Amino acid sequence: DIQMTQSPSTLSASVRDRVTITCRASQSISNWLAWHQQKPGKAPKLLIYKASSLESGVPSRFSGSGSGTEFTLTISGLQPDDVATYYCQQYNSYPYTFGQGTKVEIK
Amino acid sequence: EVQLVESGGGAVRPGGSLRLSCAASGFTFDDYGMSWVRQAPGKGLEWVSGINWNGGTTNYADSVKGRFTISRDNAKNSLYLQMNSLRAEDTALYYCARDTISLWFATYYYCTDVWGKGTTVTVSS
Repeated sequence: DIQMTQSPSTLSASVRDRVTITCRASQSISNWLAWHQQKPGKAPKLLIYKASSLESGVPSRFSGSGSGTEFTLTISGLQPDDVATYYCQQYNSYPYTFGQGTKVEIK
Repeated sequence: EVQLVESGGGAVRPGGSLRLSCAASGFTFDDYGMSWVRQAPGKGLEWVSGINWNGGTTNYADSVKGRFTISRDNAKNSLYLQMNSLRAEDTALYYCARDTISLWFATYYYCTDVWGKGTTVTVSS
């Protein structure tokens, strides 16, 4: 199975800060990677698919990059509404797997 | 409006069974793969199972293989998860999810793009 490792597990940043979350795959997954946002008490929501494609309706301050085994999610200008846990997910091969999550807080 | 509504969750004793259902609306159901993803209390997301557009291909996490069965009824726009031999570690919020299909060099890739609100399963004696 492909293991997905996110870092950091928690991050605290100020409003308008640039925030970067890293996701590493235990083997190459090409660009078959998604990022999901889960706000407290809510269902997850897709932000990014195919590593760097922005889902319709998602603010442009969110961006994704990477391929192979190393990926990043960047929030360019953190907003209070971005407080959430972010998960990467590989869909290159079954069983599909998620990272352990990165909790983003406002300092 | 695209909607996924799960039902069928509840409390069950270890070794028991439950059948989850997911009613889909607002999109052409058989144009999409579907998945079940779960989240244990206070924990992260765990992919459980996926099914292709016509039910001909199914996949499972190792943790549920042989105990859970995913299926779909395209005439009823519905997805199901039959869960047998339930264990305490199956306690979780179970999400139904829609998967958008990409075809690349003769291989299908399924990306979850819509989530339901979930249904809770509690396995306890």
